[in-house]
Order: sequence, then C-alpha cells, then structure tokens
Amino acid sequence: GAGVSQTPSNKVTEKGKYVELRCDPISGHTALYWYRQSLGQGPEFLIYFQGTGAADDSGLPNDRFFAVRPEGSVSTLKIQRTERGDSAVYLCASSSAGGPYNEQFFGPGTRLTVL
Amino acid sequence: KQEVTQIPAALSVPEGENLVLNCSFTDSAIYNLQWFRQDPGKGLTSLLLIQSSQREQTSGRLNASLDKSSGRSTLYIAASQPGDSATYLCAVRQRATGANNLFFGTGTRLTVIP
Repeated sequence: GAGVSQTPSNKVTEKGKYVELRCDPISGHTALYWYRQSLGQGPEFLIYFQGTGAADDSGLPNDRFFAVRPEGSVSTLKIQRTERGDSAVYLCASSSAGGPYNEQFFGPGTRLTVL
Repeated sequence: KQEVTQIPAALSVPEGENLVLNCSFTDSAIYNLQWFRQDPGKGLTSLLLIQSSQREQTSGRLNASLDKSSGRSTLYIAASQPGDSATYLCAVRQRATGANNLFFGTGTRLTVIP
C-alpha cells in the first residue's frame, strides 16, 4: 500500500560528477514518469516508461541524462558530468497503466544540488 | 506548445474564507486536467482529476470545474483552513503530444491566516 518512494531525498554533488536517482513506483503500476522542477516553476516532463521500455524520452534535455527501468519496476535516472544548471527537484510518478486517462501519483522528490 | 498559466501567483486569505484559484491553458485539445497540492519541500499530492468530458469534480471542501472550450479551470476551496496553506498546481494531459506527460502551470501559493 506504500506510495511512490524516491532515494535519496537530498543529493549534493560537485560539478562534473555522476549521480543516480532512484524511484520505486507503487506496486503493480506499469507506467512511470520522471519530471524535473526548478525553483519557482512547475514540474517539466523528462521521460516516460511503459514497462521496461522508455516509450517517450523527448523531455530529456541532452545526452548527459539517461534513465533505465530494467525489470519494469524500479527506475534509475542517471546524470553524467553534472552542471550547476542541473540543480532542481527530480520527481517521479507512476500510474496503474499507460494511456491518457490514468491518474499519476507522485513521490516526494530528490533535491539535487550541484556545487 | 501547450502553455499553462495560473493566476494569481500568490494569495493570502483569512481563515474561513471561500476562495477560487484559476488555471488557463492555450490548447484545448486535452484528455484531462489534474489539480495538485505541493507542500514546501515535498512532492505533489493529487487533489482532483477531471476528464475532458466532465464539467466538474468534487472532493470534500474542494470543487474543480473545467471549461475545455475556453481553456479554463477553477479550483474552489470552501471554508479555508490554515492547513490548506500550500502551493496549488494544475496540469493538463494534451492530446497532440501522445498524452504521456503532464504540462504544469507555475502554481498559486496559498496562505490561510489563522
């Protein structure tokens, strides 16, 4: 019955380092989404998984960003060569199925700070 | 590209007042619209989901309406309480982009004064 969980809750790293952010969706949810929220803004879409495959990665800002979901449950967002502009809250959401009519449930987010 | 706007950006009201938050969107070809609440440093809590065929949804003291043709939605909060203080975000699921993602507004920061 647990909701979406994300780890770590906070991550501080130095410019140029590699980071991984983890998302555990609600059990049984096949669709998973990553969003990024900068200070004072609404979340912006990054990538959507249906099962194990990335069905839509059109929101990834560049090739430093990559995400995987190898077993169709947990997902990891990976950021290479981090830049100060990557600092934001990274939110994960899941829904019971893909498609446009299903409600998305969000996790608490990971606050990433790049020094 | 879909643009979602929320007015006002911030709102302060005394406890007990009824209030309305506004959301507008530029492309009316949507599947649905969702209202969220976000507490400081926290994730998003879904409040109400309105499908494009619906006119309104209610949950407790909250009522959300949708006028798809004019690109507007309102969230009505009755008898506001200090615990309602949070940022309220609206988001639409757009038909044109395959509906995989939500387009969010920048939110309205609500403060209810005891």
